[in-house]
Formats: sequence, structure tokens, C-alpha cells
Amino acid sequence: DARVTQTPRHKVTEMGQEVTMRCQPILGHNTVFWYRQTMMQGLELLAYFRNRAPLDDSGMPKDRFSAEMPDATLATLKIQPSEPRDSAVYFCASGLEVGEQYFGPGTRLTVT
Amino acid sequence: GEDVEQSLFLSVREGDSSVINCTYTDSSSTYLYWYKQEPGAGLQLLTYIFSNMDMKQDQRLTVLLNKKDKHLSLRIADTQTGDSAIYFCAESIGNAGNMLTFGGGTRLMVKP
Repeated sequence: DARVTQTPRHKVTEMGQEVTMRCQPILGHNTVFWYRQTMMQGLELLAYFRNRAPLDDSGMPKDRFSAEMPDATLATLKIQPSEPRDSAVYFCASGLEVGEQYFGPGTRLTVT
Repeated sequence: GEDVEQSLFLSVREGDSSVINCTYTDSSSTYLYWYKQEPGAGLQLLTYIFSNMDMKQDQRLTVLLNKKDKHLSLRIADTQTGDSAIYFCAESIGNAGNMLTFGGGTRLMVKP
């Protein structure tokens, strides 16, 4: 049963610290998405990769956030330095070029 | 720009039918999707409909699409307490492959 995996599932950190979230897309999928979900803003698209190339990161705060795909099996989302307003659930999703997206279980980030 | 609207909340009694509604704006959408999110979990794809269809049935789920009014609905027959969750409507974005625009989600509460 192929699934998107994300680590860690939960992260509590202090303001100013670096946070790295990891995602393993479903094998064979060539698109990867990062989303942030909060009660106030709902689901926001942060970044979109196709064949490991970033196609859209317009939703991502550029000064502190960065997203990369070092290889086809790993996507990372980094926040440096983290701030309390970054507290949210971060989801990774993967898919093929046309069709549905499959979501991971999310990383719940709390920045104190 | 694209916008997908859903009502925030729906409450039904166990055994009744639930109807969750969604309006979208992108007339070039190829696919429209329904996702379900249970507490503490990621979004799970429930069903989808191709834009040239007006109805799709899958066990207890019926999707109706009115392209003229850009209205999508999800009917859950014989609603169970396990159906309590947040339901997201999503539309594919024009020529942007599998990028999706999500609605804000409808929280379905099923009372015993």
C-alpha cells in the first residue's frame, strides 16, 4: 500500500531555531506539493515541484522558508529562523502530472 | 482568480443523507475532487469526477456536477458517525497539471 510519508510527525521548537521537515513521495510520482494548514488560513500551497524542479513557490515566505528535492525520493522544507506564527500542520502531497494528489499524514509544528 | 467556496459546517443525524455543496470558478477545470480529513490526519481522496460527467456514484457516495452553475455536491447516503470529518472540494487548475485549488472545507458532524 503506497503512501506518502512525512517526518517528524510532531515538532516543538523554540523561536529562532531551524526546522527541517522531510517527505518521501510515493514511488513513481513526479510531482510534490507542500501545504500549510492553520485554523485561520485553511490549506495554503507553499511549493510545487515537478520532476524535482521547483515550479511554483509563490506561496512561501522566501526570507525564512526553503524547499528542495535532493533526489526523487526526498523532499525537504526548511524554516530558518522559525517564528511562533509558523506553528501549523505542514502537509506533503505527491502525484502524477495529471490527476489526484495523495497526502502524507502531516508534521505538526509548534514554535514557542 | 480561482476560488472554491464551501459552507463551513453541516450537522446530520446518523442514518440520514448528507449533502455537502461546493462552488468553483475555473470553467477549464478538468477534474473536481472530494477529499476527507479526519482529526489528526492528512487529506484522503474520496472520489473525483471528470468535467464532462454530471454524476458519479461510488457505494454510499454520489457526486453531482452542474457545469453551467459551476456547482459540485457530495451526497453521503446512510451517514455514519465515522463519516464525521472535514470534507474539502478541490478543482484542477486549467493547464497547470495536477495543481489544485481547495475550498475551505465543510465540517460534517454526525449525531447518533
